[in-house]
Amino acid sequence: QSALTQPASVSGSPGQSITISCSGTSSDVGGYNSVSWYQQHPGKAPKLIIYDVSNRPSGVSNRFSGSKSGNTASLTISGLQADDEVHYYCSSYTSTNTVVFGGGTKLTVL
Amino acid sequence: QVQLVQSGAEVKKPGASVRLSCKASGYTFTSHYMHWVRQAPGQGLEWVGIMNPHGGSPTFSQKFQGRVTMTGDTSTSTLYLELRSLTFEDTAVYYCGRGLWTVVAGSIYYHYALDVWGQGTTVTVSS
Repeated sequence: QSALTQPASVSGSPGQSITISCSGTSSDVGGYNSVSWYQQHPGKAPKLIIYDVSNRPSGVSNRFSGSKSGNTASLTISGLQADDEVHYYCSSYTSTNTVVFGGGTKLTVL
Repeated sequence: QVQLVQSGAEVKKPGASVRLSCKASGYTFTSHYMHWVRQAPGQGLEWVGIMNPHGGSPTFSQKFQGRVTMTGDTSTSTLYLELRSLTFEDTAVYYCGRGLWTVVAGSIYYHYALDVWGQGTTVTVSS
């Protein structure tokens, strides 16, 4: 199972919105509404911010939103803040009953 | 509070085995699927496997098939991961994570998302 494809980096200015893409295949992203997004600060464990494409766990800011079209899922962060400048990972359930992660995206807040 | 506490760092030689533990507290251990995920230095996340502590066979990434074992001890609410035939490429931080479930209209839905993570265990494979 190949890793999902994410851009290595994205950037935006404070207050703006950015979108991170996560591309897969019909055997993972496109075949199931089981895409999750995680935020990871350096040296820390990841934190779940989106599950099942667009659902936010309790306590996660509504500045984070998710969507999917075909084999590509997207994470949008609105009202960029300095604290958002960390790594983001997508993951998806797959047709082989496993989970695959994306390579990760580093967000830079200019 | 809900937490997963993992065992301490390990240093192993190539060819050796390592057994990691993850102790759950603050919730009913058998009510959530459990995952293992690893992260090599400076790299992304890599899914290792999943199991239901209540019973049944675990499912692993094909990459680890044949050299990984995942077990759970319900009496101590502890999850274990054993990885055999270690190579330098197994050097990573290993995380355990709890699978998320939600209740909709009275039914439980299990999601392939990890809502609680352990602090991570560093495994270093070095000669």
